[in-house]
Amino acid sequence: DAGITQSPRHKVTETGTPVTLRCHQTENHRYMYWYRQDPGHGLRLIHYSYGVKDTDKGEVSDGYSVSRSKTEDFLLTLESATSSQTSVYFCAISESSWGAANEQYFGPGTRLTVT
Amino acid sequence: RKEVEQDPGPFNVPEGATVAFNCTYSNSASQSFFWYRQDCRKEPKLLMSVYSSGNEDGRFTAQLNRASQYISLLIRDSKLSDSATYLCVVNDAGDSSYKLIFGSGTRLLVRP
Repeated sequence: DAGITQSPRHKVTETGTPVTLRCHQTENHRYMYWYRQDPGHGLRLIHYSYGVKDTDKGEVSDGYSVSRSKTEDFLLTLESATSSQTSVYFCAISESSWGAANEQYFGPGTRLTVT
Repeated sequence: RKEVEQDPGPFNVPEGATVAFNCTYSNSASQSFFWYRQDCRKEPKLLMSVYSSGNEDGRFTAQLNRASQYISLLIRDSKLSDSATYLCVVNDAGDSSYKLIFGSGTRLLVRP
């Protein structure tokens, strides 16, 4: 299994509070991604990173920010959590962004509940 | 229209059965195709990449039909442990080729 960990694994927070999720990899892969997974929607890309300090938005980026100060760590921050951000969050990594090499490997996920 | 469409199932089959899933995608310029498996409350795991010539890995066979823009997964001699949700995944095209687009998944239940 790819060396990807996520923390925390479970979190319950209140509406309006900031929340930061961490993704840590030991594979030295260049690309890292944050997804959310909700029933009926499948996996949707929030933000991604193509290198240290290089990030860009995905399809559902509103209300989220990211930072990547080291190759191994990719942080996802919910600026002010809302109930609509209750979801399962997955981090993924890939070695390349092209062809078969852009197959992605996922962390174990974080279950976030916003009350 | 969804970019990647799958029959949600569930497909309920007996052990030993052969089962096939299909998936259609909308972007004809997509170049990378995958099947992922996801167990309940777990992360998706790569099952296999799908190549133009088709490919096989043990009991699993994947086919790609570019002209019709569909991908298939065939599972032979189903095992109880094959019960999971199978995600069809296609890369976006052009400048966004790094992005993977996930189908919502097809659920498989293998019964004794």
